[in-house]
Amino acid sequence: DAGVTQSPTHLIKTRGQHVTLRCSPISGHKSVSWYQQVLGQGPQFIFQYYEKEERGRGNFPDRFSARQFPNYSSELNVNALLLGDSALYLCASSLDPGAGYTFGSGTRLTVV
Amino acid sequence: EDKVVQSPLSLVVHEGDTVTLNCSYEVTNFRSLLWYKQEKKAPTFLFMLTSSGIEKKSGRLSSILDKKELSSILNITATQTGDSAIYLCAVAEFNKFYFGSGTKLNVKP
Repeated sequence: DAGVTQSPTHLIKTRGQHVTLRCSPISGHKSVSWYQQVLGQGPQFIFQYYEKEERGRGNFPDRFSARQFPNYSSELNVNALLLGDSALYLCASSLDPGAGYTFGSGTRLTVV
Repeated sequence: EDKVVQSPLSLVVHEGDTVTLNCSYEVTNFRSLLWYKQEKKAPTFLFMLTSSGIEKKSGRLSSILDKKELSSILNITATQTGDSAIYLCAVAEFNKFYFGSGTKLNVKP
């Protein structure tokens, strides 16, 4: 079985640009959550989606948005990129919000 | 303010040693506490502890949740070089997750 897959693996963007990161959960998993991990720190929770609805949101500005599709895949969008948005963005999926999450390998975003 | 605090921040041991990693938390609506191992990119799930499952064990790894003290420990016995990684503790509130900064474990031959 394929694990959680994220694309792209690496990305370089310029300040002010927009970026879309994609995540495909493990087959059968209906919950997806997104995290930002800056070097040397633990992951910071951004969003949780379950059954295509937003169920939780971390302390991130409105420049960050996400959605979950009928096939349970998900996109994370970040507008007006700042240098401080440079990080590893991790997606994780779970059968439901109360179960343990399996992480993907992440997308390394560099904003220059 | 940090809701999940892990200690120590880093640890160097030799193969065969036993280590104990600590995690303390402060959240309003505790749901579960999770331990992950992160070697390169994707954190790997180790344990989930809840009010109904406060102790878990898998091979040389074990974890206990102390709901009274709002803390958890992760024990690794007979450490191996392959245990070298960052160990992350996460606490699930109703619809949010909080990770600690991790404990970086270095196991020397």
